[in-house]
Amino acid sequence: AQSVTQPDIHITVSEGASLELRCNYSYGATPYLFWYVQSPGQGLQLLLKYFSGDTLVQGIKGFEAEFKRSQSSFNLRKPSVHWSDAAEYFCAVGGNFNKFYFGSGTKLNVKP
Amino acid sequence: EPEVTQTPSHQVTQMGQEVILRCVPISNHLYFYWYRQILGQKVEFLVSFYNNEISEKSEIFDDQFSVERPDGSNFTLKIRSTKLEDSAMYFCASSRGKGGYEQYFGPGTRLTVT
Repeated sequence: AQSVTQPDIHITVSEGASLELRCNYSYGATPYLFWYVQSPGQGLQLLLKYFSGDTLVQGIKGFEAEFKRSQSSFNLRKPSVHWSDAAEYFCAVGGNFNKFYFGSGTKLNVKP
Repeated sequence: EPEVTQTPSHQVTQMGQEVILRCVPISNHLYFYWYRQILGQKVEFLVSFYNNEISEKSEIFDDQFSVERPDGSNFTLKIRSTKLEDSAMYFCASSRGKGGYEQYFGPGTRLTVT
């Protein structure tokens, strides 16, 4: 069955530090992978997506993610975090089915 | 940039009452979805809708739930007799296609059942 695991519930980083949010998925075929961000009281905004091809994908707001098939992972990274990046981040997997499976989310706190 | 809109932003209702949550998907999208997020939990799929019929639904989407596209723009979720456990944020989403197409989410409707 399809599933997504985000092992870190909360992460705190200092402003300007690098960030990596982990995502592992379970899916029998080539997945379509997405990262969404949710600010308090807001909906889900798409940060980036992986369909095929280059395993390192670039997204909005300076985020990138790397698809590693051997590790079933799609970790989100940012080289230098800004205070405005504080939010909750969700990894999702889609495939040849008509819905997304979401992880439980990682709440990012940014220290000044 | 086109966006998905939802109304109301917050709905309070009493247990047993019917509620209708409304969504206006992006105009050239063909697939429509409802998800819900109970406070502190993950976003869960409820139902997908294509070509004026349900294409897939989850176990959560029981007989108390229904969806409709009453006209060319609106997409609604009806909960016939609300229960306390229906309290959640409900997100509408739309996409141009299924599978690998990204889904665009609305801002959500927070439903509180008392």
